[in-house]
Amino acid sequence: GENVEQHPSTLSVQEGDSAVIKCTYSDSASNYFPWYKQELGKGPQLIIDIRSNVGEKKDQRIAVTLNKTAKHFSLHITETQPEDSAVYFCAATFSGGTSYGKLTFGQGTILTVHP
Amino acid sequence: DTGVSQDPRHKITKRGQNVTFRCDPISEHNRLYWYRQTLGQGPEFLTYFQNEAQLEKSRLLSDRFSAERPKGSFSTLEIQRTEQGDSAMYLCASHRTGNNSPLHFGNGTRLTVT
Repeated sequence: GENVEQHPSTLSVQEGDSAVIKCTYSDSASNYFPWYKQELGKGPQLIIDIRSNVGEKKDQRIAVTLNKTAKHFSLHITETQPEDSAVYFCAATFSGGTSYGKLTFGQGTILTVHP
Repeated sequence: DTGVSQDPRHKITKRGQNVTFRCDPISEHNRLYWYRQTLGQGPEFLTYFQNEAQLEKSRLLSDRFSAERPKGSFSTLEIQRTEQGDSAMYLCASHRTGNNSPLHFGNGTRLTVT
C-alpha cells in the first residue's frame, strides 16, 4: 500500500517569512496529492491539490510542486501570517479507481507563525 | 452547501460500553468516508460507502466496528464493547462521484474511553 512521509514535524517562522513542507510517497500509481490544514478542534480543510499531470500549482500565497520521478511533493506558503498557524497534512491517492477518496496522509507538520 | 456535519462532537464513555456516531454528508455527495485520527497523527482510512453500499473496509476496522448508510444519505458508525485504544477523533468525509470532486471533512467526533 501507499506510504507518505512528511517533514518537518514542526516548523516555526516569523510573520512574513516563507514556509516549506515536504512529502514523499511510495506508490508510483498515486496521481492525486491534496494538502489539508487542520485547526484545533476542527476537521481537515482542503487548501490546495495537485494532479500528476501538472508540476506546479499556485493559489495566492500557497503553491504546491510535484516531482513524479523522485516521488516528492511540497507545499510552499509565502508571506506567512499568524492565522496560517495550524497543522498541515499532505496526502496521496490514485484517482483512477473507485476509492478516490481513500487518502493516505502524512504525519502532519505543526506550523507556528510568530507575529 | 452546509458542510459535513457530525454528531456528537465529543463523547466520553466507559470501557465496555457501546457508542454510535452520526455523519450527515454534503447533500448530493454520494460517497461517504470514515477516518480515525489519533493524537499527533494524520487521519487513517476506515471504510467508505457509495450511496448505501459499503465498498471497502480497512483492516483497522475490527469486528467491534460497524458502519451503515441505510438510505444513502447519513451514516452511522457504531463501536461495540469500547476499549481504551478506541479513543480517537472519528472523522467523516464526503464527495461526489468524479475524480475532480475534492474530499470534504467534518469536524469529527472526539471519543474518550475511560
